[in-house]
Amino acid sequence: DAGVTQSPTHLIKTRGQQVTLRCSPKSGHDTVSWYQQALGQGPQFIFQYYEEEERQRGNFPDRFSGHQFPNYSSELNVNALLLGDSALYLCASTPWSGSYQETQYFGPGTRLLVL
Amino acid sequence: GENVEQHPSTLSVQEGDSAVIKCTYSDSASNYFPWYKQELGKRPQLIIDIRSNVGEKKDQRIAVTLNKTAKHFSLHITETQPEDSAVYFCAFAPYSSASKIIFGSGTRLSIRP
Repeated sequence: DAGVTQSPTHLIKTRGQQVTLRCSPKSGHDTVSWYQQALGQGPQFIFQYYEEEERQRGNFPDRFSGHQFPNYSSELNVNALLLGDSALYLCASTPWSGSYQETQYFGPGTRLLVL
Repeated sequence: GENVEQHPSTLSVQEGDSAVIKCTYSDSASNYFPWYKQELGKRPQLIIDIRSNVGEKKDQRIAVTLNKTAKHFSLHITETQPEDSAVYFCAFAPYSSASKIIFGSGTRLSIRP
């Protein structure tokens, strides 16, 4: 039973570039959430996808966008990269449960460095 | 706003002693409170969670207590071991947005041999 997987593991970009990060949820899970974890801080919620739609969004600018595919995998896109976007980007998956909070299982993350 | 305060930011305890981390959350209607452990360079891993219908939950050396009236919850680790060294995050799910998790700023726990 595969857990949550993410790719790539590391990425280096320069300011102004665009980046796409990928996530495959745990088997049996159909809901994917993305988090940004800056160095020395707790993860911050970016958004959540279910049924290929964005269901919840945190306090992140429109430069951050996402997509969910029919197989439940997801992408996070960040445009016009800033130095402050350097962080560990974590994907978490759960089964959809409406208003009931299910345990979120995290992937290993993608470490993005913006130069 | 939706936030959780976590204390202390760093904690050093002698191996075998107990460690306690405390958190205060903002949303009185919240009913889900997970704790995550993150080792250096690794993903956050759920170690224990509690829902508001109980005041305490234990799993071997780890326990969590919840005081909904005071909006406090705490993690207790007994008989600490070197492998307990990590950053610990408390978190909660806001009632209005149960599908997301709000994390604390973390506690770096060091176990002295």
